[in-house]
Amino acid sequence: QVTLRESGPALVKPTQTLTLTCTFSGFSLSTSGMCVSWVRQPPGKALEWLALIDWDDDKYYSTSLKTRLTISKDTSKNQVVLTMTNMDPVDTATYYCARILAAAGEYYFDYWGQGTLVTVSS
Amino acid sequence: AIRMTQSPSSFSASTGDRVTITCRASQGISSYLAWYQQKPGKAPKLLIYAASTLQSGVPSRFSGSGSGTDFTLTISCLQSEDFATYYCQQYYSYPLFTFGPGTKVDIK
Repeated sequence: QVTLRESGPALVKPTQTLTLTCTFSGFSLSTSGMCVSWVRQPPGKALEWLALIDWDDDKYYSTSLKTRLTISKDTSKNQVVLTMTNMDPVDTATYYCARILAAAGEYYFDYWGQGTLVTVSS
Repeated sequence: AIRMTQSPSSFSASTGDRVTITCRASQGISSYLAWYQQKPGKAPKLLIYAASTLQSGVPSRFSGSGSGTDFTLTISCLQSEDFATYYCQQYYSYPLFTFGPGTKVDIK
């Protein structure tokens, strides 16, 4: 059974750095084709892809946010960590981690965590 | 970057209705498109991938079609549990994924 769970602070101050952890089970991020991504959703708005890390430790970032994002993995702990620097109130959103099992060019998110709401406010 | 649009942005429907949601890509994406359903306070749920392949466990009243730039999600007979927001997502430009703005389906 595949599960993912996000954890991190519910409230951060402007200019601070946000660190979120995705803890997953039911798969290994060392398996060929396996990827974990972060996606966020501001209240009442659409989904926005942020970052992806794959089984080979390749890392990819949203073009608009890449200077502020860092994604990493700890395969032994089944965790993926996202850091976002210089937080602003516009970064207030629910942050999701999601799995991709890449096969034959198919890169869709088949499992999602329940999300964690992060509010940026002083 | 590939932009995704959806229409309509929202509409009201009744249980039993046949509903169709349209998604358009700003450039051709072959069939590299997924559809998700999201209910309030919940994570998105994968419904369809590769434009028309039903994810395991998803009811057969959901179907998808299209390729290139124009895609549709159809619910053949709307059920009460289908009232939600639906998003399309392209993965042609992997790993630079983009989602559509969403279509909210509510009760008439």
